[in-house]
Amino acid sequence: DAGVTQSPTHLIKTRGQHVTLRCSPISGHKSVSWYQQVLGQGPQFIFQYYEKEERGRGNFPDRFSARQFPNYSSELNVNALLLGDSALYLCASRVKDGIANEQFFGPGTRLTVL
Amino acid sequence: AQSVAQPEDQVNVAEGNPLTVKCTYSVSGNPYLFWYVQYPNRGLQFLLKYITGDNLVKGSYGFEAEFNKSQTSFHLKKPSALVSDSALYFCAVRDPNQAGTALIFGKGTTLSVSS
Repeated sequence: DAGVTQSPTHLIKTRGQHVTLRCSPISGHKSVSWYQQVLGQGPQFIFQYYEKEERGRGNFPDRFSARQFPNYSSELNVNALLLGDSALYLCASRVKDGIANEQFFGPGTRLTVL
Repeated sequence: AQSVAQPEDQVNVAEGNPLTVKCTYSVSGNPYLFWYVQYPNRGLQFLLKYITGDNLVKGSYGFEAEFNKSQTSFHLKKPSALVSDSALYFCAVRDPNQAGTALIFGKGTTLSVSS
């Protein structure tokens, strides 16, 4: 089975632009989470979606938004990009919305904001 | 505030020797603890988790971790290190204040295994 896939792999944007990152979960997984990993730090939680509903949101500004589609894939949108948004954005999926279930991570999208 | 601490930025060990990567946590309620590994230019790979039960948890690739409630620790261990174990290791705890299943990660520990 294919793992979690993310696109694009790399992305370069300039300040003020917006970006859309995409994630396809493992087949059969209904929960998708997004994390931001700044260089030298651990991942930070941004959003979680389950069955197309937002189940959790981290401490990120409203410039960050996300959605989940009927096929359980997900998009993360970031508006008005700042230099500090440069990071590896990770998507993770799990079978269902259970707190004990481990998350499976994709390879990430490396976003560079110039 | 909920948090996870990995006190060592880097751990160096010779191949064949035992390894320990340390993790301590601070969380209200019952902790749900996880270890992940990240190889260069890759996403995080799940190693093991502690939810309840036996304090010694066995995971992938020969890794294990010991949950110690009194010391609020969840150290990752392996009896005999391999060069291929060299990677970035993250300890994480489920955020009990966050609806859903958000994880709080430590800053990571780089494990370097020399041949």
